[in-house]
Amino acid sequence: DIQMTQSPSSVSASVGDRVTITCRAGQDIDTWLSWFQQLPGKAPKLLIYAASSLQSGVPSRFSGSGSGTDFTLTINTLQPEDFATYFCQQSKSFPLTFGGGTKVEIK
Amino acid sequence: QVQLQESGPGLVRPSETLSLTCTVSGDSITSFYWSWIRQSPGRGLEWIGYISYSGTTNYNPSLNSRVSISIDTSRNQFSLRLTSVTAADTATYYCAKIISGWIPVWWGQGILVTVSS
Repeated sequence: DIQMTQSPSSVSASVGDRVTITCRAGQDIDTWLSWFQQLPGKAPKLLIYAASSLQSGVPSRFSGSGSGTDFTLTINTLQPEDFATYFCQQSKSFPLTFGGGTKVEIK
Repeated sequence: QVQLQESGPGLVRPSETLSLTCTVSGDSITSFYWSWIRQSPGRGLEWIGYISYSGTTNYNPSLNSRVSISIDTSRNQFSLRLTSVTAADTATYYCAKIISGWIPVWWGQGILVTVSS
């Protein structure tokens, strides 16, 4: 299995801040990396696929980068509705695996 | 817009079989792949497996001997069976539609299943 490691596990930020979340894969996954946002009590929602492609309908303040083993999700100008937990997921090989999550909290 | 809805019992006894159904609306199940994913505080998000419209399956090896996924194209539904459950199988179970690139794009709202006597 490909292990996905996210850091930090939580981050405190204010509205308007820029937040960066990192995901590291246990082996090379090219750009087979997606990012999801999960609000409390809700299902995960796809934000980014193929490491840097923005899913339709997702605000442009979300961006992704990286390839190989190191990836980044950046949220520019944090909005109140962005306080949530974020997960990365690899789809390079089965079983599909997810990172442990990063909770973005209000400072 | 595709919508998915999980249904089934919220409480299962240890050693028994967990059975859930996902009903798909707004889309035909005869396309792409359909998956089950679960989430628990201790194990995080865990992919269980997928099934294609033609019945091809792929399961997580960690569950392979206990899991089966089936599809009913006439009802636009697919189902999960997990045998010999223990407390470790307590989780919120999601069904999802997987598109090219093996990305679970659309998810159901999830159903909490508790394994307890």
